[in-house]
Amino acid sequence: RKEVEQDPGPFNVPEGATVAFNCTYSNSASQSFFWYRQDCRKEPKLLMSVYSSGNEDGRFTAQLNRASQYISLLIRDSKLSDSATYLCVVNVGSSASKIIFGSGTRLSIRP
Amino acid sequence: DGGITQSPKYLFRKEGQNVTLSCEQNLNHDAMYWYRQDPGQGLRLIYYSQIVNDFQKGDIAEGYSVSREKKESFPLTVTSAQKNPTAFYLCASSTGTELYEQYFGPGTRLTVT
Repeated sequence: RKEVEQDPGPFNVPEGATVAFNCTYSNSASQSFFWYRQDCRKEPKLLMSVYSSGNEDGRFTAQLNRASQYISLLIRDSKLSDSATYLCVVNVGSSASKIIFGSGTRLSIRP
Repeated sequence: DGGITQSPKYLFRKEGQNVTLSCEQNLNHDAMYWYRQDPGQGLRLIYYSQIVNDFQKGDIAEGYSVSREKKESFPLTVTSAQKNPTAFYLCASSTGTELYEQYFGPGTRLTVT
């Protein structure tokens, strides 16, 4: 089993829709969690850290479920500019070498 | 403007040549990283450094070398020993605290023929 797994997609949704995707992780000792956004042929950009209590930033909501070992990202009122690949990142230990990137979920928003 | 710069953006080399990729940051971050990304795959850690004059191998260090002589700079050399060097190389930095929020440079796309 991969340490961090994401559905590769693509998710193809109409503008204005709500879309959610999950990311599962295998190490129950994982300590910190992040969502990054990566546009085609560009660098990943930090979208949000995921806190135990969940957190919201505008149209984006991130949740952590430690019992089931997954994090989720919800995008409300999706915009064309939300089209990108969303990377789940998990720090499975206390060292920089333990930061694991998922392969990403592709999201495409259609007009 | 604070950030991370990588140069060049595109690099073409012949097989058998060593090549050095530049990474500079002015975020005053302690930790710096090099990743490699291949199409359809997640980022894989090549090397990382948490303080000046110290660095550690990541998962795929073979065929690569680094140095960390200054806090701001973490150059990566792709040697001729790296069997499949063609890839997108990303440099990142973080404060090095427990949270490890990373900030990435724009990347260097290396093609070796």
